Amino acid sequence: GAVVSQHPSWVICKSGTSVKIECRSLDFQATTMFWYRQFPKQSLMLMATSNEGSKATYEQGVEKDKFLINHASLTLSTLTVTSAHPEDSSFYICSARDPDRNYGYTFGSGTRLTVV
Amino acid sequence: DAKTTQPTSMDCAEGRAANLPCNHSTISGNEYVYWYRQIHSQGPQYIIHGLKNNETNEMASLIITEDRKSSTLILPHATLRDTAVYYCIVSQNSGGSNYKLTFGKGTLLTVNP
Repeated sequence: GAVVSQHPSWVICKSGTSVKIECRSLDFQATTMFWYRQFPKQSLMLMATSNEGSKATYEQGVEKDKFLINHASLTLSTLTVTSAHPEDSSFYICSARDPDRNYGYTFGSGTRLTVV
Repeated sequence: DAKTTQPTSMDCAEGRAANLPCNHSTISGNEYVYWYRQIHSQGPQYIIHGLKNNETNEMASLIITEDRKSSTLILPHATLRDTAVYYCIVSQNSGGSNYKLTFGKGTLLTVNP
């Protein structure tokens, strides 16, 4: 089946630094990828839609200057959390869909970000 | 996207069938019903999806009512590893287009020994 790889699986950073998370579609090309955030004991919240070769579309309330998304190729999207603060600590998950396969979106394994 | 309603939690005995209900009374004609599950600290896993006909794959069966206002996910022989949060989501699915999935709170299924 379609595979989405996310890296790193966990990261600890100091407050004020930036962190980059990568999301790769391994066996298919994805013109669109989605980024979610999940706080403990809560559901996934969609942050933004990443579009290859164009600007990302952010959900209401998500700061685009803080969460930078780059989708430079058909197999790679990156999310950079800039000037991270402890309240940005969360589980970040990406997803994509293989348009040639008749099933739903495939999700990455997630990145646990802890800002100290 | 249409909203879904699921029970907060359910229990099931190991080896028995787990039947997870979902109400989606405002579903529109071009929206599919998707089921995903999330095991603790992992990304969601796709299970099954359908439009109006019942569907079955190696993981589960999906039963959609004739009026499409509700559905049931059936895990035929639940194992301890099926303990997870199960999400029922309705979304459009149109060829190469990509429509976002909006997650509700889901159902925490606990499979007991």
